[in-house]
Amino acid sequence: GEEVAQTPKHLVRGEGQKAKLYCAPIKGHSYVFWYQQVLKNEFKFLISFQNENVFDETGMPKERFSAKCLPNSPCSLEIQATKLEDSAVYFCASSPGTVDEKLFFGSGTQLSVL
Amino acid sequence: SQQGEEDPQALSIQEGENATMNCSYKTSINNLQWYRQNSGRGLVHLILIRSNEREKHSGRLRVTLDTSKKSSSLLITASRAADTASYFCATVGRGSTLGRLYFGRGTQLTVWP
Repeated sequence: GEEVAQTPKHLVRGEGQKAKLYCAPIKGHSYVFWYQQVLKNEFKFLISFQNENVFDETGMPKERFSAKCLPNSPCSLEIQATKLEDSAVYFCASSPGTVDEKLFFGSGTQLSVL
Repeated sequence: SQQGEEDPQALSIQEGENATMNCSYKTSINNLQWYRQNSGRGLVHLILIRSNEREKHSGRLRVTLDTSKKSSSLLITASRAADTASYFCATVGRGSTLGRLYFGRGTQLTVWP
C-alpha cells in the first residue's frame, strides 16, 4: 500500500495482559521502525528491521517487549505482561532505505493499560 | 539524551504571520529533520537538512542549521489555520543506524483564522 497501516487504532489491556500491535509498511520499503510516544511529546525509538532481520534493537526493553517482521505478514510488536507505564501511542514507520532518510509514519496504536 | 529542547513549547499566532520554532541538540549529527504531527495522527516528514548544509527551503518552509551552536530553526511563512499542529525536530547522530531518530519534545503551533 501507499501508507503505513497500523492496527488496531486503540487497544485496552489490564495490567499483566499481553498486547500485540501490527504494522504493514509501505510496499517496497525494506526498513521498518517502531517508536513509542508517551504523553503526546517524547518519541522513543524501540527497534528497527531490514526486511525480516533485526537492524537495531538497542531501544527495546527486552524483558517484556518483542517484535517480528516475517515475510508476507504484517510486522508485529508484542508486549508481554503489560504495565501501566506501557500506556502510550506506538508508531510504526517505514523507509525505502535510500540516501533520502525520511521516515513514513503510520497513524499509531493507542495502548491503554488499566 | 542526544536531543535538547525545542523552543517555544507552544506558539499561538494569527493567519498570515510567520512562525519560528527552534531546536537544540547535544551531539554531532549526520542530518536533522523536521516533522509535523496533527492531533491524533502520525508524523509527516517536512524537510531534511544535512550537517554540511546551512539553509534549506521547501515551499513556505525555511530551515537553518548552525552546527557550531548545535541548533536549528524552522520558519513557516504566511501561516494558515491548516498549519496548526505539533512540530518536532529529530536528529540522526553520527554513527547512528538508519532511521534511528532522536526527537525533541515538540512545539505546539496554533494558527488562528
